[in-house]
Amino acid sequence: EVQLVESGGDLVQPGGSLRLSCAASGFTFSSHWMHWVRQAPGKGLIWVARVDSDGSSTSYADSVKGRFTISRDSANSTLYLQMNSLRAEDTAVYYCARDGTGTTPTIDFWGQGTLVTVSS
Amino acid sequence: EIVMTQSPATLSVSPGERATLSCRASQSVSSNLAWYQQKPGQAPRLLIYDASTRASDIPARFSGSGSGTAFTLTISSLQSEDFAVYYCQHYNNWPPMYTFGQGTKLEIK
Repeated sequence: EVQLVESGGDLVQPGGSLRLSCAASGFTFSSHWMHWVRQAPGKGLIWVARVDSDGSSTSYADSVKGRFTISRDSANSTLYLQMNSLRAEDTAVYYCARDGTGTTPTIDFWGQGTLVTVSS
Repeated sequence: EIVMTQSPATLSVSPGERATLSCRASQSVSSNLAWYQQKPGQAPRLLIYDASTRASDIPARFSGSGSGTAFTLTISSLQSEDFAVYYCQHYNNWPPMYTFGQGTKLEIK
């Protein structure tokens, strides 16, 4: 069974930092691109970042470029999102998501999410 | 930047009836279009990709159609568990692009 379990969400002050983690199981983690997608309270889905299978290539939404860093540890099947210079508008549930990579051409499985609140 | 626009924002349909949800792209996205279902407090679930291919374990009552700029998700006979918010998504591997529509809330009439 595919499982993605996020952790690390918290209340943080504007300008602060936070690192999210996502523990993956039930599939060959090193074979899949991985994503972070966020959803502000009561709002829609916004793609944040993507990392390829071996971590050598990353891509970001313009709104987080230069502030967020996506990375992965394939030995431990874990995905990360380092978030710096946080702003109020970064408040959202952050979902870890698996790319279908070779099977389906987009995100095919999502974790349950972790809430990040940026407020003073 | 490609903008995905869904309509209507809210759709009220009775159980057993057909629901038709629309998604329009600001420019052609070929068939790089997916549909997701999200229930309150839950993560999204992939329903359709490549505009018309059902994902694994998705019931046949869900179907997708369209290409270019106009797409449709049809649910042929609504079940109680189908009432949720539905998102369309344009995807492109390079340059990386994963753009969601604003969602359509499907509610019980």
